[in-house]
Amino acid sequence: GAVVSQHPSWVICKSGTSVKIECRSLDFQATTMFWYRQFPKQSLMLMATSNEGSKATYEQGVEKDKFLINHASLTLSTLTVTSAHPEDSSFYICSASRGSDTQYFGPGTRLTVL
Amino acid sequence: AQKITQTQPGMFVQEKEAVTLDCTYDTSDPSYGLFWYKQPSSGEMIFLIYQGSYDQQNATEGRYSLNFQKARKSANLVISASQLGDSAMYFCAMRENPSGSARQLTFGSGTQLTVLP
Repeated sequence: GAVVSQHPSWVICKSGTSVKIECRSLDFQATTMFWYRQFPKQSLMLMATSNEGSKATYEQGVEKDKFLINHASLTLSTLTVTSAHPEDSSFYICSASRGSDTQYFGPGTRLTVL
Repeated sequence: AQKITQTQPGMFVQEKEAVTLDCTYDTSDPSYGLFWYKQPSSGEMIFLIYQGSYDQQNATEGRYSLNFQKARKSANLVISASQLGDSAMYFCAMRENPSGSARQLTFGSGTQLTVLP
């Protein structure tokens, strides 16, 4: 149990376009979902925490207008990178949690902005 | 100050031998949780083992065990009988205040483990 999926697994887009990444908990209801970004050879950096039905809480330095997070249901959260630029190229990973339980991670989405 | 410190950027181990990956943490919260995750080259984060700050015994999961030394604030991961498939990046992470609503994880910088045939 506790399977989390992400879609797409990779995406290439042109600079200035927007990209939406979906994160789904397949076999459990996730009260909280987390979005992380990971640059090559580096650790995961938390971008934001989202609870179902409420606004996401962004970490310091993360632009909420650029990285739009929606957690519309207990099984789905989306991250939209608006007006993407090459510096937004990264590996984006979501995780989902059932309250205070362990976080289960999705397989990640590799974004390349040309 | 770093909340999670992994001092070994890279480690090598011979197949079938045991290896210890170091992790130290810093928190003033009496209630916290410690995690180890494995990240192979594919990128997925695989949960390995969890230790709660109030757990009396060290956590074990198959070939993985966590050497929890609370006074020293260390939570080293021990992998016994290493296999070639264990080659990956390993991250130590801490969650403070595990009771109640979900809390964010703070990750260490990771250790790249290479198992040699």
